[in-house]
Amino acid sequence: DADVTQTPRNRITKTGKRIMLECSQTKGHDRMYWYRQDPGLGLQLIYYSFDVKDINKGEISDGYSVSRQAQAKFSLSLESAIPNQTALYFCATSDFTGEAFFGQGTRLTVV
Amino acid sequence: AQKVTQAQTEISVVEKEDVTLDCVYETRDTTYYLFWYKQPPSGELVFLIRRNSFDEQNEISGRYSWNFQKSTSSFNFTITASQVVDSAVYFCALSGVTQGGSEKLVFGKGTKLTVNP
Repeated sequence: DADVTQTPRNRITKTGKRIMLECSQTKGHDRMYWYRQDPGLGLQLIYYSFDVKDINKGEISDGYSVSRQAQAKFSLSLESAIPNQTALYFCATSDFTGEAFFGQGTRLTVV
Repeated sequence: AQKVTQAQTEISVVEKEDVTLDCVYETRDTTYYLFWYKQPPSGELVFLIRRNSFDEQNEISGRYSWNFQKSTSSFNFTITASQVVDSAVYFCALSGVTQGGSEKLVFGKGTKLTVNP
């Protein structure tokens, strides 16, 4: 089993719809992250959480929200999806050094 | 604030050439960690190396080597005798360390390496 599992792997949704991307990890780490990848822009941090009670905004949090349901689970929601949120989304977990283990990614298309 | 700059957006080489990917970082933390990740065309992110700020020894792993220089805030990655399978996007990343532990992991924009046969 993968250390970090993201569901769904691919999703097409319509503008204005609410969508949730889920992430679970088996590494036992406290730190979890959501990143967005657009071509040429690298990995941009959306939200991160250093423990269950700690949620922090990243560089591009507008239009997104997160929920840390447990140490192992960290979900990302798009409240009202828009086309420019079409991207590849990665969840990650890290140890105390920041060394990250990534999920396989979720390819989201908003039409 | 932490920042990672990978000035080379794309590099194209011919197989067997050596290639160096540059990474320059900014941080106010005295303790920090630097990373390189590889993203092959299949899309997954693969961890390559972690260095802490107190260890400036260069590291070699097969055809890969890393040069960490605090004086120039650089952590460059060299592939010797490149192969087509090295074609990927390579990301440099940084996490600072404060009393509370490591800070968020920040990535550069990546360098796309194409190795032509």
